Amino acid sequence: LAKTTQPISMDSYEGQEVNITCSHNNIATNDYITWYQQFPSQGPRFIIQGYKTKVTNEVASLFIPADRKSSTLSLPRVSLSDTAVYYCLVGDGGSQGNLIFGKGTKLSVKP
Amino acid sequence: DSGVTQTPKHLITATGQRVTLRCSPRSGDLSVYWYQQSLDQGLQFLIQYYNGEERAKGNILERFSAQQFPDLHSELNLSSLELGDSALYFCASSVGSRSSGITQFFGPGTRLTVL
Repeated sequence: LAKTTQPISMDSYEGQEVNITCSHNNIATNDYITWYQQFPSQGPRFIIQGYKTKVTNEVASLFIPADRKSSTLSLPRVSLSDTAVYYCLVGDGGSQGNLIFGKGTKLSVKP
Repeated sequence: DSGVTQTPKHLITATGQRVTLRCSPRSGDLSVYWYQQSLDQGLQFLIQYYNGEERAKGNILERFSAQQFPDLHSELNLSSLELGDSALYFCASSVGSRSSGITQFFGPGTRLTVL
């Protein structure tokens, strides 16, 4: 069954690029990797999703190596408003369709 | 605003009691997901319904149950409440039936406190 691992916290400064990696060793063959952002007292918000290689949208990029055992969320030129907790989400590949969130990475952006 | 609504925002109750949390999905979304978020366990997937049918199941306790009604709103019932059930409960919705690999839109959550 899938299990995800993320760093507990990261610090950055405004204008820097931030990369957050999630490992998901047992990801199912047909499963996608999704990343969410959460601010205090709010529900998670979708950032980006991918299956393999690289995906880019207006706010982030997602890099997935060929073995798909990890994924890296890249936030270009972060600002103070990017201070939040970031979660990766995968399916556990089991018959019941369980979904597994990582424990989350608390990103702190400093001026 | 994600378009997903949850009521109530806050709920305080006592151990042994039963509560019902309500969720209305975004217009047009057929899937509803329920999550529990606590400090020690993080975000835990409970259950997904698609167009009234149970679609996927996570670590949902037997004391918990959910259903999705014909108008697509969903209710999560928590019974025989314990102190450890105190948490934020989120509902999310999506267009499709997949449990994984689909964009979910989360509601603002219901904060449950069990005393």
